[in-house]
Amino acid sequence: KAGVTQTPRYLIKTRGQQVTLSCSPISGHRSVSWYQQTPGQGLQFLFEYFSETQRNKGNFPGRFSGRQFSNSRSEMNVSTLELGDSALYLCASSFSLAGGGETQYFGPGTRLLVL
Amino acid sequence: DAKTTQPNSMESNEEEPVHLPCNHSTISGTDYIHWYRQLPSQGPEYVIHGLTSNVNNRMASLAIAEDRKSSTLILHRATLRDAAVYYCILRPHQGGSEKLVFGKGMKLTVNP
Repeated sequence: KAGVTQTPRYLIKTRGQQVTLSCSPISGHRSVSWYQQTPGQGLQFLFEYFSETQRNKGNFPGRFSGRQFSNSRSEMNVSTLELGDSALYLCASSFSLAGGGETQYFGPGTRLLVL
Repeated sequence: DAKTTQPNSMESNEEEPVHLPCNHSTISGTDYIHWYRQLPSQGPEYVIHGLTSNVNNRMASLAIAEDRKSSTLILHRATLRDAAVYYCILRPHQGGSEKLVFGKGMKLTVNP
């Protein structure tokens, strides 16, 4: 069974640009969550999508947005990039049959560098 | 979000047992204790979870204190592949979200 895949794996952008990251969950999983990992702040929750609806949101500015498609694939977008957005962006998926608390399966991440 | 406290780092020797402690004095009755680890250059991976009773799986064992205010992840025979950052996380069961709240975690170094 294929794991969680994220594309692209590496990305370099300049300040002010926008970027879209993609996550394909494990087949059958309906929940996709996104996290930002930086050396200073560690792993921080961005948002979770379940059946195409945002179910939970972390404390990030509105420049960070996401969506989920009917096949459960998810994208996150960051507009007007800032230097501080340089980070490893991770997505995780699960069946979420019980509505929370299930094992999360993480992808390898997309490393974004903003110059 | 309920908070956990872990040492910043620990060292162990290969093929020896290692006990990774976690304190969670404000745990609520519906919180499960989950452990994830993150190997270098990889996304986090699930290790084990439990509610009240001790739990075993192929990766590790989880020992939970009777008052549930602390727990210990036990790796029975550490290998070099176990060198990672370990996160102890409290999660409400069926809390309406799959959100994980990561703390700083604990870096485990395994010496050959």
